[in-house]
Amino acid sequence: AQKITQTQPGMFVQEKEAVTLDCTYDTSDPSYGLFWYKQPSSGEMIFLIYQGSYDQQNATEGRYSLNFQKARKSANLVISASQLGDSAMYFCAMRVLFGNEKLTFGTGTRLTIIP
Amino acid sequence: GAVVSQHPSRVICKSGTSVKIECRSLDFQATTMFWYRQFPKKSLMLMATSNEGSKATYEQGVEKDKFLINHASLTLSTLTVTSAHPEDSSFYICSAPRAGTSGRNTGELFFGEGSRLTVL
Repeated sequence: AQKITQTQPGMFVQEKEAVTLDCTYDTSDPSYGLFWYKQPSSGEMIFLIYQGSYDQQNATEGRYSLNFQKARKSANLVISASQLGDSAMYFCAMRVLFGNEKLTFGTGTRLTIIP
Repeated sequence: GAVVSQHPSRVICKSGTSVKIECRSLDFQATTMFWYRQFPKKSLMLMATSNEGSKATYEQGVEKDKFLINHASLTLSTLTVTSAHPEDSSFYICSAPRAGTSGRNTGELFFGEGSRLTVL
């Protein structure tokens, strides 16, 4: 079974600063994928970034980057130059790559950007 | 634009009635869809995996007779909350995987907009 741990229930960050959202995971499967989703107050789940367990480089998507440390089983999300629109819930998730494609989610971090 | 559409986005019903929520993949076929439930300020909990052409697979603790799932076609899955009670009030969200996106098979899951159910 997979497990995702997000230890930061809430964070406040000044606009334009960078922020790191923590995520650790646990799985016995060697082939897995890690995801970050953003959920604004409207409820929709917005895909941000993906990291495969065999990817050699850390994933980046615009202002989002994933700090993947496989040995430590961590997959922290880094948001650079934060904006007011970044205020939302952020969920880390994972799934095994071969088999059922269901995602296991962490408990989420509520990020609030302060003007 | 949205690749998975969910309807209705909000529904209010009386206790004891049944409510159907639809999840459609708009521009791809989905043999599998996932139904999640989210309580306020909580994480998403997988309820069941909807399989086209076969029975849904329910997670432990989810009542099959309470939450009926039908994968009617390769683009449509429905979740019916039967004999709804106030404790069934929640945010229900579906997702579907689309492989091979942009030449990279991330197995990315696309989520619907969610359906907020309120049972009075």
